[in-house]
Amino acid sequence: KQEVTQIPAALSVPEGENLVLNCSFTDSAIYNLQWFRQDPGKGLTSLLLIQSSQREQTSGRLNASLDKSSGRSTLYIAASQPGDSATYLCAVKEGGKLIFGQGTELSVKP
Amino acid sequence: DGGITQSPKYLFRKEGQNVTLSCEQNLNHDAMYWYRQDPGQGLRLIYYSQIVNDFQKGDIAEGYSVSREKKESFPLTVTSAQKNPTAFYLCASSIRLLSVDSPLHFGNGTRLTVT
Repeated sequence: KQEVTQIPAALSVPEGENLVLNCSFTDSAIYNLQWFRQDPGKGLTSLLLIQSSQREQTSGRLNASLDKSSGRSTLYIAASQPGDSATYLCAVKEGGKLIFGQGTELSVKP
Repeated sequence: DGGITQSPKYLFRKEGQNVTLSCEQNLNHDAMYWYRQDPGQGLRLIYYSQIVNDFQKGDIAEGYSVSREKKESFPLTVTSAQKNPTAFYLCASSIRLLSVDSPLHFGNGTRLTVT
């Protein structure tokens, strides 16, 4: 059974710092991996999608990598800002289902 | 603007009552999903639908029911058989169920409280 893990559960950094969020999964037979952002009390916003044949995707200050062989993905956030404070979730697509990790709650201090 | 609309934002019900959560999308997506989110936990899949008049149970379908009579709409009914219905419910859609390049789009959720 596919399991998705995100460590750490919470992270606090000063503004301007570059940071990496981690996501690991147990079964490499995935369609894709997606990173989402969730603000308190809101739905999820899709940030990046990496297809199973791809190694990375970039959008602005965000860069996501995928290493299927090791079952790992990272989300790199450059020059963090207080507005980046949110919970970040990764999810792997297996068959027709998206399986989520529990998220990393990020706080960027001014 | 295209998107997913969930209503209402907050819903309160007495124990023993059925309640239906609305989800409407105007993205022309074939696939739709219902997830449940509890504090400190990831999202768990309740039901999903690949196409009109078709839906499948997810990982935690017990106590829930759905219908997919129209492409745009995927309502979720929380029945009195659901033992712990208080949660944040999220509806999502994607272009197709089985695709490598189709991201999920989410609504803003409905917070259900049952007392």
